[in-house]
Amino acid sequence: EVQLSESGGGLVQPGGSLRLSCIASGFTFSAYAMNWVRQAPGKGPEWVSGINDAGDTTPYTDSVKGRFTISRDNSKNTVYLQMSDLRGDDTAVYYCAKAVRTDDIVAFDYWGHGTLVTVSS
Amino acid sequence: QSALTQPASVSGSPGQSITISCTGTSDDIGGYNYVSWYQQHPGKAPKLMIYDVSNRPSGVSSRFSGSKFGNTASLTISGLLAEDEADYYCSSYRTHGKAVFGGGTKLTVL
Repeated sequence: EVQLSESGGGLVQPGGSLRLSCIASGFTFSAYAMNWVRQAPGKGPEWVSGINDAGDTTPYTDSVKGRFTISRDNSKNTVYLQMSDLRGDDTAVYYCAKAVRTDDIVAFDYWGHGTLVTVSS
Repeated sequence: QSALTQPASVSGSPGQSITISCTGTSDDIGGYNYVSWYQQHPGKAPKLMIYDVSNRPSGVSSRFSGSKFGNTASLTISGLLAEDEADYYCSSYRTHGKAVFGGGTKLTVL
């Protein structure tokens, strides 16, 4: 059974940093792209960033470029999202999502339960 | 990045068919066959229903189908069931390595 479990969310002040982690199980982690998708309260999902199977292709949505960094450790079946210079509009539930192939930022067949990030003073 | 355009709401009676549209541009829907559709029930994570315009993941009912014409993609649900009531979101690859979601459509089963 595929499982994705996010952690690392919480309350942070504007300008602060957080690192999200997502540990995966139930599939060959190193064979699939992984993505982070966020959803602000009452809003639709927003794709944030993706990383291909090898970890050498890492696209970002424009609003987080230069502030967020995605990475993966295939030996630990874990994908990370390092977030810095956080702003109020980064407040959202952050989902880790498994792509259907090695390099995909659109089709996600498994999602975690999400971790809430709240940016507020 | 502007979202793809979806109707805010659609409705149908049990057993009927409905179609949800998703309109983009030649930089996203019109230029690539990477369109996905997600179903989301309240408090739950989105669930992949269609990918690559018209492919159904294993386990998704054949009542769900996808298509594309020009810059507009569509999700059709046939034989509506009460359990289909949910929010539906389209997403597409966009030029220069981006992905974009639609604003969402609330499906009500009357």
